[in-house]
Amino acid sequence: GIQVEQSPPDLILQEGANSTLRCNFSDSVNNLQWFHQNPWGQLINLFYIPSGTKQNGRLSATTVATERYSLLYISSSQTTDSGVYFCAAVRGGADGLTFGKGTHLIIQP
Amino acid sequence: DADVTQTPRNRITKTGKRIMLECSQTKGHDRMYWYRQDPGLGLRLIYYSFDVKDINKGEISDGYSVSRQAQAKFSLSLESAIPNQTALYFCATSVVGDEQFFGPGTRLTVL
Repeated sequence: GIQVEQSPPDLILQEGANSTLRCNFSDSVNNLQWFHQNPWGQLINLFYIPSGTKQNGRLSATTVATERYSLLYISSSQTTDSGVYFCAAVRGGADGLTFGKGTHLIIQP
Repeated sequence: DADVTQTPRNRITKTGKRIMLECSQTKGHDRMYWYRQDPGLGLRLIYYSFDVKDINKGEISDGYSVSRQAQAKFSLSLESAIPNQTALYFCATSVVGDEQFFGPGTRLTVL
């Protein structure tokens, strides 16, 4: 099956800083999603982005499908951005998301 | 009301007990999924269903069974729970080839 690798595994930043999270995947994909898992365990959909660039407020994401990677940008970080960020993908012709191990982000006040 | 709901939200049970986790959705999606999350890891696929008559095994189906009672309902059963099935369980829904949406999760502890 498809392999999904995320980096860095852990990231500690001060409030107001910017960050870039990376997701590499091993095969062509027809679905790629970014999620934020909050401290209560809930998964929040951030982006559905199999290709191209999208922005939503302070967050944006870019997927370069031909080079098999996706980037999540967080600008002007807030303490509420803390949590784990997951990238997940579905290989073409398959079903069910394959998740990376996540990036654990801590934003300090 | 939430589009994807899961019951119960928390459950503690004993080894050998049968337990059922339930998922309901109001999104009108045809596809439903069950995932499991272990501490420090991403989610892994247990079972998925394209419609009421279609059930498929995922990466880690051993020890689990599912039932798709209606388009909007998908249940996960542990026939004889064991401690290493202690995990956070998520249900998700989607339409074909599109974004998946997740329920709030069920935290299961098997003693």
